[in-house]
Amino acid sequence: EVQLVQSGAEVKKPGESLKISCKGSGYSFTTYWIAWVRQMPGKGLEWMSIIYPGDSETKYSPSFQGQVTISADKSINTAYLQWSSLKASDTAMYYCVRGYNYGPPYFDFWGPGTLVTVSS
Amino acid sequence: DIQMTQFPSTLSASVGDRVTISCRASQSISSWVAWYQHKPGKAPNLLIYKASNLKSGVPSRFSGSGSGTEFTLIISSLQPDDFATYYCQLYNFNSWTFGQGTKVEIK
Repeated sequence: EVQLVQSGAEVKKPGESLKISCKGSGYSFTTYWIAWVRQMPGKGLEWMSIIYPGDSETKYSPSFQGQVTISADKSINTAYLQWSSLKASDTAMYYCVRGYNYGPPYFDFWGPGTLVTVSS
Repeated sequence: DIQMTQFPSTLSASVGDRVTISCRASQSISSWVAWYQHKPGKAPNLLIYKASNLKSGVPSRFSGSGSGTEFTLIISSLQPDDFATYYCQLYNFNSWTFGQGTKVEIK
């Protein structure tokens, strides 16, 4: 059974750093992409970044380039999204998603989400 | 960047209705479009990939069509479990852009 287990909810202050995780199981972690998708309160879905754990190839949405860093540790089947300095506007639900290679990858399986709250 | 315009933003319908949701790309994207269903408090769920391919396990009342710049998701007979927000998404090897979403509400 495919599972994406995401780290728990976080409450942080502006300016703090944060790294959230997504552990994949039930499939070959290195042969699927992992993406991160943001949903701000009351808003739609936004693609942020994607990584191929097999060779660590990464891509970023222009809207998020320089704002976050995606990474993966294939030895423990885990992908990460990190911020060096959070802002209140980073308050959102963050989903990790598996990307299935069929031509360009599409998002075939979603994690449950990690809620990040940034407030002073 | 290629943009996706999804419409309508909200749709009121009754159980049994045929529902149509549309997306228009700002330039041709072949058939690289997916559709997702999202219910409050849950993770989104893939319905359709490559414009018209139904994900295994998704009810056959859902269908997708289109190519180039115009794409459509149809729910042939709306069921109580289908009240949710639906998103189209264009995907290629460099961007994965969602439409704005369509909330399907009970009429």
